[in-house]
Amino acid sequence: GAVVSQHPSWVICKSGTSVKIECRSLDFQATTMFWYRQFPKQSLMLMATSNEGSKATYEQGVEKDKFLINHASLTLSTLTVTSAHPEDSSFYICSARDPGLAGVNEQFFGPGTRLTVL
Amino acid sequence: GDSVTQMEGPVTLSEEAFLTINCTYTATGYPSLFWYVQYPGEGLQLLLKATKADDKGSNKGFEATYRKETTSFHLEKGSVQVSDSAVYFCALSHSGYSTLTFGKGTMLLVSP
Repeated sequence: GAVVSQHPSWVICKSGTSVKIECRSLDFQATTMFWYRQFPKQSLMLMATSNEGSKATYEQGVEKDKFLINHASLTLSTLTVTSAHPEDSSFYICSARDPGLAGVNEQFFGPGTRLTVL
Repeated sequence: GDSVTQMEGPVTLSEEAFLTINCTYTATGYPSLFWYVQYPGEGLQLLLKATKADDKGSNKGFEATYRKETTSFHLEKGSVQVSDSAVYFCALSHSGYSTLTFGKGTMLLVSP
């Protein structure tokens, strides 16, 4: 099956610094990737849809300048949390669609990145 | 807009008990339906899916049937194991659209 990886799996940073999280599709080319945020004991909140070679589409209420998304290749999307603050601490999960699975909008999820901002 | 409603948890069962986690949805047309499972500290894994009415998705002893008349996709397993303890998410998506709509998740706790 399709595999999606994330790096790092966890990160601790100081308030005010920036953190980059990578999401890679390992065995397929993903034209579309998604970034989610998950708070403890809650569901996933879609932050943005990332399309290769174009600007990301952000969900309402998500700050574009704070959560920078780059989808520079068909196998890599990055999320950069700029000037991180403690309230940005969360579990960030990416997913990717396999365009080879025509007609089924199945997403393959990465293992997640636990961000803690001190 | 689309929405997915799941029963609130946690669902607490003894090993070998029968499991049902209810999921109903509101959507136009004929969405695809999914169950994802999230083990502690991990991302989501697709458990099973169904793409049209009356389809039954199954995997690892879990089953769910796409019921258009009741707009439901209930997850069932005949005999749960301790290793099934996780959070289960019901979700839907439409052909031609990328995004998934998730339910809030149901935590399952299985004791020996």
